[in-house]
Amino acid sequence: DAGVIQSPRHEVTEMGQEVTLRCKPISGHNSLFWYRQTMMRGLELLIYFNNNVPIDDSGMPEDRFSAKMPNASFSTLKIQPSEPRDSAVYFCASRLDGMNTEAFFGQGTRLTVV
Amino acid sequence: DAKTTQPNSMESNEEEPVHLPCNHSTISGTDYIHWYRQLPSQGPEYVIHGLTSNVNNRMASLAIAEDRKSSTLILHRATLRDAAVYYCIRYTGGGADGLTFGKGTHLIIQP
Repeated sequence: DAGVIQSPRHEVTEMGQEVTLRCKPISGHNSLFWYRQTMMRGLELLIYFNNNVPIDDSGMPEDRFSAKMPNASFSTLKIQPSEPRDSAVYFCASRLDGMNTEAFFGQGTRLTVV
Repeated sequence: DAKTTQPNSMESNEEEPVHLPCNHSTISGTDYIHWYRQLPSQGPEYVIHGLTSNVNNRMASLAIAEDRKSSTLILHRATLRDAAVYYCIRYTGGGADGLTFGKGTHLIIQP
């Protein structure tokens, strides 16, 4: 398996534009996580899906952020409209549930909003 | 609230052992301790995990205190490639609670 695949790796957009980040989890994994990382706030959990269903979205900063998981092999994180303070690295991770299982992270998407 | 406490940073010399401490004084009996690390410009990666007994794998060793209120990640012979942020996570299992990251320990390796 190629691991968790995120696209794009880098995104530069203008304030007010819509941004869509994509994630393909590892095949067979049933949990998916979206994180945002900045120097100031560290690694923040935004939303967690289990079996394609959003379980905990308490970390989503505001209504401008939305996430979907239409099937077990694809998820998106959308920001509309984007703002400069959304600039960060966004990570996706997947895991097969269980106490002894590890999560696997993608390489991240570096978002810059100008 | 990551429910664990780690020093902000630590420094060690290359080829020497490194002991990274983690306090998890409110741990429950069924919580696992997981360690991840994040190398520069990469996503976090799993290192090791344990419940009660000490654990070893090819990357590191994990020593868990008898009362389970603390643990120590041991890198037996640090290399420059081990310079990273190390996260200790109390994994309760189920939901997203087990994947909440704190600030971690920034490990600096001196040549």
